[in-house]
Amino acid sequence: GAGVSQSPSNKVTEKGKDVELRCDPISGHTALYWYRQSLGQGLEFLIYFQGNSAPDKSGLPSDRFSAERTGGSVSTLTIQRTQQEDSAVYLCASSIPKGLAALPSYNEQFFGPGTRLTVL
Amino acid sequence: AQTVTQSQPEMSVQEAETVTLSCTYDTSENNYYLFWYKQPPSRQMILVIRQEAYKQQNATENRFSVNFQKAAKSFSLKISDSQLGDTAMYFCALSGGSYIPTFGRGTSLIVHP
Repeated sequence: GAGVSQSPSNKVTEKGKDVELRCDPISGHTALYWYRQSLGQGLEFLIYFQGNSAPDKSGLPSDRFSAERTGGSVSTLTIQRTQQEDSAVYLCASSIPKGLAALPSYNEQFFGPGTRLTVL
Repeated sequence: AQTVTQSQPEMSVQEAETVTLSCTYDTSENNYYLFWYKQPPSRQMILVIRQEAYKQQNATENRFSVNFQKAAKSFSLKISDSQLGDTAMYFCALSGGSYIPTFGRGTSLIVHP
């Protein structure tokens, strides 16, 4: 399968525990995005990785959230000391700039199936 | 700052009929791209259609077409001959001058048999 994959598909945790969410982007896609989707809300941008550049972390809601991308491929989103308001679907998407002047966001984003996080 | 507004939280349509989903946006960029994404129940989000702002011609993809009104900053999606498989959340998105797109809150479309 050449699509974006995410694991786990569902995660139930207790308040205060740490969780790790994984994203495998499409091979060769240099741009990787994490979003949070809450019920009735749009997609909330969390963090953006592009190649070997420093990530744009401007969307992370608190310092309990962090993410890394190893080797320009797999990414892990970590939420420490989870709170009930962290419950949401976390989506990963990858993209690739086309053309010298193109931004990756100008092109189609390929989304993973998401991880549904429930914090009890 | 960019904004995307989808004013219809929910829509419904009978199978085989036509439905139009609304999207308005705001951006200060001259060149930007607009997208409609579809998220079926419990399935992955996929691109439906894309429009480049500098192109005047409205994009079409089979039963899906857009009405792009640049001056009015409007980007509506028309689905013709609606099918049961069109039942999904539809998100309008804008990318302009930044690598971070802005998404609307979505419109839930239900196609009734």
